[in-house]
Amino acid sequence: DIQLTQSPSFLSASVGDRVTITCRASQGISSYLAWYQQKSGKAPKLLIYAASTLQSGVPSRFSGSGSGTEFTLTISSLQPEDFATYYCQHRNSYPVTFGGGTKVEIK
Amino acid sequence: EVQLVESGGGLVQPGESLRLSCAASGFTFSDHYMDWVRQAPGKGLEWVGRTRNKANSYTTEYAASVKGRFTISRDDSKNSLYLQMNSLKTEDTAVYYCARLSWNYYFDYWGQGTLVTVSS
Repeated sequence: DIQLTQSPSFLSASVGDRVTITCRASQGISSYLAWYQQKSGKAPKLLIYAASTLQSGVPSRFSGSGSGTEFTLTISSLQPEDFATYYCQHRNSYPVTFGGGTKVEIK
Repeated sequence: EVQLVESGGGLVQPGESLRLSCAASGFTFSDHYMDWVRQAPGKGLEWVGRTRNKANSYTTEYAASVKGRFTISRDDSKNSLYLQMNSLKTEDTAVYYCARLSWNYYFDYWGQGTLVTVSS
């Protein structure tokens, strides 16, 4: 199975900060990676797919990069509505796996 | 508007069975692969399994943790997805989400989830 390791698992940031979350895969997954945002009590929401493609309707302050085994999600200027937990996910092979999550909280 | 609505969750005892449903609307259900993903209380997301579409013979894939106990099926005439869960264990306690796969195999729409609690 492909393991996805996210770091950090928790981060505290202020509105306006630039935030970067990393996802490392245990083996190469080309660009077959997505990022999801999940707010408390809600279903996840697709933000980025194919490592760097912004899902329709997602604000441009979100961006993704990387390929192979290392990926990043960047929020260029953190907004109040961005405080949530973020997950990476690969679709390279079965089983599909998710990273452990990164919780972004208000400093 | 794409909508996915799960139902059927509840409290069951270990060893019992439960069937979840997911009613889809707002898109051509029969064209899409559909998955179940679960989330234990306070934990991360765990993929449960997948059903492909008719063009791909409705074949299925499962996570090792549920293989042999859970069965995913679909009824395209009813725009519905199902998860039959047998021999439930306490570790199956979670919110279960149905999710639609986009054309490039990412989860582009999710339901609101239904809570399954396995406890004696």
